[in-house]
Amino acid sequence: GGIITQTPKFLIGQEGQKLTLKCQQNFNHDTMYWYRQDSGKGLRLIYYSITENDLQKGDLSEGYDASREKKSSFSLTVTSAQKNEMAVFLCASSRDWGSSAETLYFGSGTRLTVL
Amino acid sequence: GQQVQQSPASLVLQEGENAELQCNFSSTATQLQWFYQSPGGSLVSLLSNPSGTKHTGRLTSTTVTKERRSSLHISSSQTTDSGTYLCATGGYKVVFGSGTRLLVSP
Repeated sequence: GGIITQTPKFLIGQEGQKLTLKCQQNFNHDTMYWYRQDSGKGLRLIYYSITENDLQKGDLSEGYDASREKKSSFSLTVTSAQKNEMAVFLCASSRDWGSSAETLYFGSGTRLTVL
Repeated sequence: GQQVQQSPASLVLQEGENAELQCNFSSTATQLQWFYQSPGGSLVSLLSNPSGTKHTGRLTSTTVTKERRSSLHISSSQTTDSGTYLCATGGYKVVFGSGTRLLVSP
């Protein structure tokens, strides 16, 4: 088996600050994702990466940057934190989502608080 | 882009009752999965069902691809089934619905 590790678990920042969230996976998966989940709501896709050095925008990419310099890691940067951005950020990976035998594996999340 | 709508938004049941959750999506894709999120917990896949009917334990999913809808039936609900159920579909760009929050009381 494998694991997805997200760091930090809790992130507190000031409004306007640049903040970086990190995600590591040891599944050797090609595709990785960043989602944002607001309290009591579903997941919204921020960025995804099909392979190393690839970046694709999701529906919520404005205000965020991403980086996939290694196959195993995918980082997300909040370029200027806003108070309405308080949410849980979830990282996921998949070997081959299109196959019914495969799935998304999720990390435990980073909870962002903006003061 | 792909849109995914789930209903109902929330559902309250007595233990032993059955639950029926719906997922409607705007375009067909090779993959559709149902996920479960425990209160305050991370997401786990329940089953993959891009078309047809699939059973696992007390769960049955039916996906009618040409009508762009999928359902998840939970039989004989238990208090431990409480949580949020999400469906997800798409190609590489995986889009989730907003979920159904299920509360099963004893």
